[in-house]
Amino acid sequence: AQTIHQWPVAEIKAVGSPLSLGCTIKGKSSPNLYWYWQATGGTLQQLFYSITVGQVESVVQLNLSASRPKDDQFILSTEKLLLSHSGFYLCAWSLEGSQNTLYFGAGTRLSVL
Amino acid sequence: QQQVRQSPQSLTVWEGETAILNCSYEDSTFNYFPWYQQFPGEGPALLISIRSVSDKKEDGRFTIFFNKREKKLSLHITDSQPGDSATYFCAAGDNVLYFGSGTKLTVEP
Repeated sequence: AQTIHQWPVAEIKAVGSPLSLGCTIKGKSSPNLYWYWQATGGTLQQLFYSITVGQVESVVQLNLSASRPKDDQFILSTEKLLLSHSGFYLCAWSLEGSQNTLYFGAGTRLSVL
Repeated sequence: QQQVRQSPQSLTVWEGETAILNCSYEDSTFNYFPWYQQFPGEGPALLISIRSVSDKKEDGRFTIFFNKREKKLSLHITDSQPGDSATYFCAAGDNVLYFGSGTKLTVEP
């Protein structure tokens, strides 16, 4: 069975500080991977997607970056956090070759103060 | 332009009633329409989905009614239970999924 693990569960960070969020998929080779952002009470906004190692596409510009160093790992980061980065970050995967059904992780709650 | 719209923003029903959640979309080429259920503090989970070749999909107490001509669909939850209280997201697309803003459902016992 496939499992998706996100870390950390929650973060409280200062404006201007760096950030690194991680996501690991187990039990599935070559998945499509995604980062979504959700404001409190808001909709899901796709940030990045990756169909293979080392290849990441940006969907929206939010002063964030993403990398896929391994087939099963997806990293979201920034060198300087903004207040507007606060929210819920969700990693998701889908089957290779298909962006239809998304399977989400439990998310990371980020508060920027 | 918002690709997917949901209404109402919030809905309260009594236990045992049928909850009806509405969704509409812009792009007539969209062919896949999943509904996701999200509990507070958790990631969304796929609840039920339908493809544009069908006009109805049923899974237990959950039914999607789909109207391709009007680009509308709805999720019906029959015999609503307090455990169904969650936010429901409609999504639409083909290779890329667009999400609506969600409907927060509360089922009162």
